[in-house]
Amino acid sequence: DGGITQSPKYLFRKEGQNVTLSCEQNLNHDAMYWYRQDPGQGLRLIYYSQIVNDFQKGDIAEGYSVSREKKESFPLTVTSAQKNPTAFYLCASSSPDREETQYFGPGTRLLVL
Amino acid sequence: GENVEQHPSTLSVQEGDSAVIKCTYSDSASNYFPWYKQELGKRPQLIIDIRSNVGEKKDQRIAVTLNKTAKHFSLHITETQPEDSAVYFCAAVWDSGGGADGLTFGKGTHLIIQP
Repeated sequence: DGGITQSPKYLFRKEGQNVTLSCEQNLNHDAMYWYRQDPGQGLRLIYYSQIVNDFQKGDIAEGYSVSREKKESFPLTVTSAQKNPTAFYLCASSSPDREETQYFGPGTRLLVL
Repeated sequence: GENVEQHPSTLSVQEGDSAVIKCTYSDSASNYFPWYKQELGKRPQLIIDIRSNVGEKKDQRIAVTLNKTAKHFSLHITETQPEDSAVYFCAAVWDSGGGADGLTFGKGTHLIIQP
């Protein structure tokens, strides 16, 4: 999982602002995922993509958007429609050899000003 | 969709003793069950996983058991050490073979190893 990077480490959002979280991997993984983690909670799936130019909604997609224009990159935009965005956001990817095994990036902590 | 329940939410054990964390899942089609360890402020790290065609898997002090009939699986840590202190998450997914969907996670167990 050292080949998965997320930036920034901390991000501050103002009311009504869209912000984009970066996720990059150099592992040649096809599938990528975004999860949200709230304190004392497990991870919840926001969006996932199994291949370039294709993605599916997870359990809590409302207020978020993604794109998958390149295999290496899967950015997540937190829109102003997401009313409670404060959380720890984790990106993951999985190898085509073992698609079900997911490895996580270091995470981005999003805070609302 | 899948629902995963995890117990207990907090577990305190003496160093050297064993710890057991239990999870149940709802979707009988789920066929892959990983366990992750997460230290404070860090990313989850995969520590062991099991597939539905296997009943038990062991890796040194860590083992996982799966009961498909009852739809539950458990993490066993023996000879616990201070560095085992962390939050542990179970998860489940149905891997159709055509590309894995996202994992459904339990809410986590905070394991505390008392010296």
